[in-house]
Amino acid sequence: GAVVSQHPSRVICKSGTSVKIECRSLDFQATTMFWYRQFPKQSLMLMATSNEGSKATYEQGVEKDKFLINHASLTLSTLTVTSAHPEDSSFYICSLGDSNQPQHFGDGTRLSIL
Amino acid sequence: AQSVTQLDSQVPVFEEAPVELRCNYSSSVSVYLFWYVQYPNQGLQLLLKYLSGSTLVKGINGFEAEFNKSQTSFHLRKPSVHISDTAEYFCAVSDLDNTDKLIFGTGTRLQVFP
Repeated sequence: GAVVSQHPSRVICKSGTSVKIECRSLDFQATTMFWYRQFPKQSLMLMATSNEGSKATYEQGVEKDKFLINHASLTLSTLTVTSAHPEDSSFYICSLGDSNQPQHFGDGTRLSIL
Repeated sequence: AQSVTQLDSQVPVFEEAPVELRCNYSSSVSVYLFWYVQYPNQGLQLLLKYLSGSTLVKGINGFEAEFNKSQTSFHLRKPSVHISDTAEYFCAVSDLDNTDKLIFGTGTRLQVFP
């Protein structure tokens, strides 16, 4: 069965809107979750590592004020794309690890900014 | 730092034919290796992984991969493909000291024709 639940699966909204994406661990307590971004026909790029109860660790080039991450519990991490613009349109995927291996991915969120 | 190269962006093949998807990696340290499959508008599903031990790894859906340290390769194979195998396949690595961080290749689109 599913280990990770990601919601929503698709979002279409106007430019300037903030969008929140949820990633839930269904099977175990996840102290660490990961957020990836995937452009069309490209690979996944790690955006940030979400740590329960502390600040997220962002990869180089990722704006932390643009992509707010909250990991308030052991089963939920959220990614908020603030004041989204068309260039933020992408496929966002979360994952969480098992035995220190990030193996379980959510089904992704297709974000389209008009 | 690690990197992953998937030389073939697309691999067309007829149903029931064998297939090999190539993956080469570069790393100054020992690594773990993974193959993931992504169906349209979905997250990634782990096909198989190499952590240690036997260099021939068997995964789900009849896929297998062989780790070749001297050639720094981890090619994915299946002796007879099905239409349902049509998807995007990603090779990924992580190093032993930072197992949480996956570095992905650019992906190979496997298209199976009837």
